[in-house]
Amino acid sequence: SQQGEEDPQALSIQEGENATMNCSYKTSINNLQWYRQNSGRGLVHLILIRSNEREKHSGRLRVTLDTSKKSSSLLITASRAADTASYFCATRRTDSWGKLQFGAGTQVVVTP
Amino acid sequence: DGGITQSPKYLFRKEGQNVTLSCEQNLNHDAMYWYRQDPGQGLRLIYYSQIVNDFQKGDIAEGYSVSREKKESFPLTVTSAQKNPTAFYLCASRGDRDSGELFFGEGSRLTVL
Repeated sequence: SQQGEEDPQALSIQEGENATMNCSYKTSINNLQWYRQNSGRGLVHLILIRSNEREKHSGRLRVTLDTSKKSSSLLITASRAADTASYFCATRRTDSWGKLQFGAGTQVVVTP
Repeated sequence: DGGITQSPKYLFRKEGQNVTLSCEQNLNHDAMYWYRQDPGQGLRLIYYSQIVNDFQKGDIAEGYSVSREKKESFPLTVTSAQKNPTAFYLCASRGDRDSGELFFGEGSRLTVL
């Protein structure tokens, strides 16, 4: 079963707007990671947030983590057409340290 | 350049045939992973290996087999026992042991005719 569930499944915005997507998970985690996938390509790691962190920034990316609600959000500010991709959250559970479990992803389309 | 190389990128096979997907990394990473991705779905873990000569089943190992004879290589065989093998297969290796960040190859798309 999927550990992470992203919401929404799809998001369509215009360049310059912000894009926000959410991830919920079920069990205790060591960290949560966000990845990006361009169509037909491999995944690329974007940002990692540890279970004892609440917010993290990297360039135009902002990630939050609420362990009490078992949820995370990824915000992309000032979106560009090149941000069009699928975004996945992945959790590293405390009870299965060697594995990352991925959600179904949010497909983001940014139109010029 | 360091990275993960998967081959072939596209593969077609007839029902009843076994096929092997190659995954090679020159990142000197100990752990390697195989994931399967179906349209509109996330990644599901097939097998993973944390060290040479050792590997563990993931969530959907049935119909698949792997070997890990060298640190650089983690080939995946899709056997005829896999009932629905058409999918996009992704290989990854783990960088930092503490964080668990994964580095992915470009994937192999298998189509069963």
